[in-house]
Amino acid sequence: GENVEQHPSTLSVQEGDSAVIKCTYSDSASNYFPWYKQELGKRPQLIIDIRSNVGEKKDQRIAVTLNKTAKHFSLHITETQPEDSAVYFCAAHRSGNTPLVFGKGTRLSVIA
Amino acid sequence: DTEVTQTPKHLVMGMTNKKSLKCEQHMGHRAMYWYKQKAKKPPELMFVYSYEKLSINESVPSRFSPECPNSSLLNLHLHALQPEDSALYLCASSQNRGQSYGYTFGSGTRLTVV
Repeated sequence: GENVEQHPSTLSVQEGDSAVIKCTYSDSASNYFPWYKQELGKRPQLIIDIRSNVGEKKDQRIAVTLNKTAKHFSLHITETQPEDSAVYFCAAHRSGNTPLVFGKGTRLSVIA
Repeated sequence: DTEVTQTPKHLVMGMTNKKSLKCEQHMGHRAMYWYKQKAKKPPELMFVYSYEKLSINESVPSRFSPECPNSSLLNLHLHALQPEDSALYLCASSQNRGQSYGYTFGSGTRLTVV
């Protein structure tokens, strides 16, 4: 089955700096890669996703890149703000009746 | 309506109690999920329902019993739980077509077993 590795497990950045979180996946049939943000005590929320027919997607300060050959994808947050502090989970999915497989999460702290 | 609603938000139960968690969505999603999340860990899949039929049971102990009465509702019946079952229980839903779609999560039920 699919296995998703996520690094780093914790990340601290100064406010205004960029943050990058990386994930690798094992199943070459996976074709959908969402990212979730979970603030303390709250639900995971989908912040951006990318499909395997696209190499990069951007939404304001957040971008995701995908390298299908290397089977890795990354989340990039620019101009970080204290409210970006949360746990971020990457996930991978293949079409059909299989569930999302999550990475172990990255705890991002943005220091003001 | 673009939300998944879970009730109750908090639940404290004894090891001999029977309780139920409820989840509701009106987005027309035909796949619904139960996850268990411990502190500082990713959500851990428990059950998947597809078109109101149980399609995946991740070897969950029988003290957890899921039920999907219709396409909008998902229940999780709890009986004789152990203290280690204390966790955040998340419900999620997604469209269930050929293409993959993101999950929408509910706010969760924080369960404490005493």
